[in-house]
Amino acid sequence: DAMVIQNPRYQVTQFGKPVTLSCSQTLNHNVMYWYQQKSSQAPKLLFHYYDKDFNNEADTPDNFQSRRPNTSFCFLDIRSPGLGDAAMYLCATSRDWGQFTDTQYFGPGTRLTVL
Amino acid sequence: AQSVTQLGSHVSVSEGALVLLRCNYSSSVPPYLFWYVQYPNQGLQLLLKYTTGATLVKGINGFEAEFKKSETSFHLTKPSAHMSDAAEYFCAVSGSNDYKLSFGAGTTVTVRA
Repeated sequence: DAMVIQNPRYQVTQFGKPVTLSCSQTLNHNVMYWYQQKSSQAPKLLFHYYDKDFNNEADTPDNFQSRRPNTSFCFLDIRSPGLGDAAMYLCATSRDWGQFTDTQYFGPGTRLTVL
Repeated sequence: AQSVTQLGSHVSVSEGALVLLRCNYSSSVPPYLFWYVQYPNQGLQLLLKYTTGATLVKGINGFEAEFKKSETSFHLTKPSAHMSDAAEYFCAVSGSNDYKLSFGAGTTVTVRA
């Protein structure tokens, strides 16, 4: 089945220690998104890629970076995690951008714990 | 910009009872509305979406929602709750001038046996 895969499902890191979260997709979608979801809150969009074009949300901290080496993979890098970065990180894909009816398909998420 | 308000952060229903989750939106352009479900420690799954056309939208797992422009609402219903419906539900909106999804704060549903 076509899907969005996130690894690892659970990640523990130490305060200030860089961490990378991984997302891959078999849907061959053009757009990939990263969301941060804190406990009992709505998902918050951090950034998205349309093909290789990177689009950062205005309020996304500089501590968060992303890479998309090819269509299938996208990475979220947190350069110096703080305690406030503990959250569920969701990757999503959609076929296109600018198509507001396009469904976003979500991965299972990576729960990040910062010690 | 679009926004969504979900009324009630927690809803508790008995098994077999009606499930009603309320969502009101704000949009200066015709909205496109979505309901997603999130089971514990999982990602979001699309239940249904409204784009244009028929205002009563049927989704997966027996859920449906009705778009009411006059009330700026998109409430989600299911006639008979099942234990497996226990989850968090998010209403979301996008619009023709803003392709991003704006999510509501979510409603947690618990189902009592």
